Amino acid sequence: DVKVTQSSRYLVKRTGEKVFLECVQDMDHENMFWYRQDPGLGLRLIYFSYDVKMKEKGDIPEGYSVSREKKERFSLILESASTNQTSMYLCASSLGTGGNLYQPQHFGDGTRLSIL
Amino acid sequence: DQQVKQNSPSLSVQEGRISILNCDYTNSMFDYFLWYKKYPAEGPTFLISISSIKDKNEDGRFTVFLNKSAKHLSLHIVPSQPGDSAVYFCAALLNNAGNMLTFGGGTRLMVKP
Repeated sequence: DVKVTQSSRYLVKRTGEKVFLECVQDMDHENMFWYRQDPGLGLRLIYFSYDVKMKEKGDIPEGYSVSREKKERFSLILESASTNQTSMYLCASSLGTGGNLYQPQHFGDGTRLSIL
Repeated sequence: DQQVKQNSPSLSVQEGRISILNCDYTNSMFDYFLWYKKYPAEGPTFLISISSIKDKNEDGRFTVFLNKSAKHLSLHIVPSQPGDSAVYFCAALLNNAGNMLTFGGGTRLMVKP
């Protein structure tokens, strides 16, 4: 089974702090993703990466950055945390797409981040 | 502007009856549609998908129907079980956008024993 592990289940930080959220997958997947989940808005893509050191902006990248130095690890960085970044953050991974074959994304259990 | 919408935030169904979850989309170029299921304190898990060239896909108790002319898809669960109680997310994929998914807002399904 695919295992996507997020380093923290709950995190409380202060406004202005630099925050790191870590995600590790154990299935040698090419693609990794960071989402935030907010009530009524579903999951919104922040950033994704399709290879080491590669990154692409998603729908809501403002205020975030990412790092992918190794294939199995994808980090989300809040450069200067603000209260509107209080949310549930979900990491996912998937195999690279081969032609038209869709590869499902596998999710971690999420990190509930509170910014005070 | 949400490209994928789930207009019902919640649905309550009696055990053994059919659950029907609905999803509407605006982009006619989407290639795949998917349903994910999420329990509290867990990440979403992939449930079932359908290609845009099909109108039905079935997997056990779960069937997804796609109506391209109406830009509408639905997930049918028959018979519903209490363990199906969860939040269900509809998602859509554009093939030329890599593996990026666009999610709906989710519907909370409650199956009463």
